[in-house]
Amino acid sequence: GQQLNQSPQSMFIQEGEDVSMNCTSSSIFNTWLWYKQDPGEGPVLLIALYKAGELTSNGRLTAQFGITRKDSFLNISASIPSDVGIYFCAGQRRGSQGNLIFGKGTKLSVKP
Amino acid sequence: GAGVSQTPSNKVTEKGKYVELRCDPISGHTALYWYRQSLGQGPEFLIYFQGTGAADDSGLPNDRFFAVRPEGSVSTLKIQRTERGDSAVYLCASSGLGGSTDTQYFGPGTRLTVL
Repeated sequence: GQQLNQSPQSMFIQEGEDVSMNCTSSSIFNTWLWYKQDPGEGPVLLIALYKAGELTSNGRLTAQFGITRKDSFLNISASIPSDVGIYFCAGQRRGSQGNLIFGKGTKLSVKP
Repeated sequence: GAGVSQTPSNKVTEKGKYVELRCDPISGHTALYWYRQSLGQGPEFLIYFQGTGAADDSGLPNDRFFAVRPEGSVSTLKIQRTERGDSAVYLCASSGLGGSTDTQYFGPGTRLTVL
């Protein structure tokens, strides 16, 4: 099945650093979502974006819905150890009845 | 707990066997989704129920996969003649009404291993 192009695949963070990840698609989406998944758990919604150009924050997280409607980014400011996990972008097409198309994920780990 | 629950949490079976995976959505949620997540990948959509009916089953990979939701709450994903390639985590999600602006709440998944 189709998956969105998400990058980077993985990154190491040091506490206090800012983190950026993005997601692109060859087709237009009406909704962009960002989820976090911890080991053994299902994805948990972090931020939902419904309008092209929209910039939305949730605490230290900020996400934007690209103007072309084919991309989105997520920033995490001043990272903390509990930010480690896998972050997924997901998109919904118009008329899709809610089924989500996910990226392959960005794995955040703590720098050794 | 009030979240989505899935049973069993782990299932090991042999190639060719039949398995059933169960999902208990959040009480009152009319929309229910099944996704499959292979190792190192994001979840992939399988099927969407609105009430008792399958509104979109376009993600089911072949006719060995089938899902039901007879009373509009609990759903069962059924896989016949399992193959090693079916090994994955099967995730269930529910939302209040369904549709593109309704938040989907995911369960912890069932990890299926086909030997």
